[in-house]
Amino acid sequence: EPEVTQTPSHQVTQMGQEVILRCVPISNHLYFYWYRQILGQKVEFLVSFYNNEISEKSEIFDDQFSVERPDGSNFTLKIRSTKLEDSAMYFCASIVGDLTNEKLFFGSGTQLSVL
Amino acid sequence: RKEVEQDPGPFNVPEGATVAFNCTYSNSASQSFFWYRQDCRKEPKLLMSVYSSGNEDGRFTAQLNRASQYISLLIRDSKLSDSATYLCAVINSGTYKYIFGTGTRLKVLA
Repeated sequence: EPEVTQTPSHQVTQMGQEVILRCVPISNHLYFYWYRQILGQKVEFLVSFYNNEISEKSEIFDDQFSVERPDGSNFTLKIRSTKLEDSAMYFCASIVGDLTNEKLFFGSGTQLSVL
Repeated sequence: RKEVEQDPGPFNVPEGATVAFNCTYSNSASQSFFWYRQDCRKEPKLLMSVYSSGNEDGRFTAQLNRASQYISLLIRDSKLSDSATYLCAVINSGTYKYIFGTGTRLKVLA
């Protein structure tokens, strides 16, 4: 089965530092997402990305966050100046993008710990 | 009212039991519905889509009630390996944003 790949699996950073989380979505997928899950809480939508631009974003996705698709395969989430409350599991996800097949596939996540 | 609501549980059931979860959604324009399974500290994995006519996959049955705006998941003959958190997800019309519930935790006991 095709997979969404995320690196690194764990990231530890100091408050105020920049982090970049990386994802390789499934190759024929068109919509890409970042979700986060704070320990013990729900899976929260951050942003969706289609056709090389942000499609939708949540209130959480403020100016500290940005997404890029720097080449044909990678999809990145950057947090410019991390805060303690950014500590969470960050999941990348993708879908094919046609209305007949909307199944969302998740990567295994990056556990971000901000100290 | 939250967009998608689930009873967090935990539901503790013996092996072999039948258990059912509901998930309510607030937006009547919601168009697509899914159940995901999430193991501790792992990514959510798609369990099944929920169709208007209802659908079944082995021991799992999903149903949609548009009038009352909820979806349900029924698990028959529970196995120890079914212990996990079950998340419902909803997509609203005109968007590709998947909205997840908080999840219902299931523990199947030997």
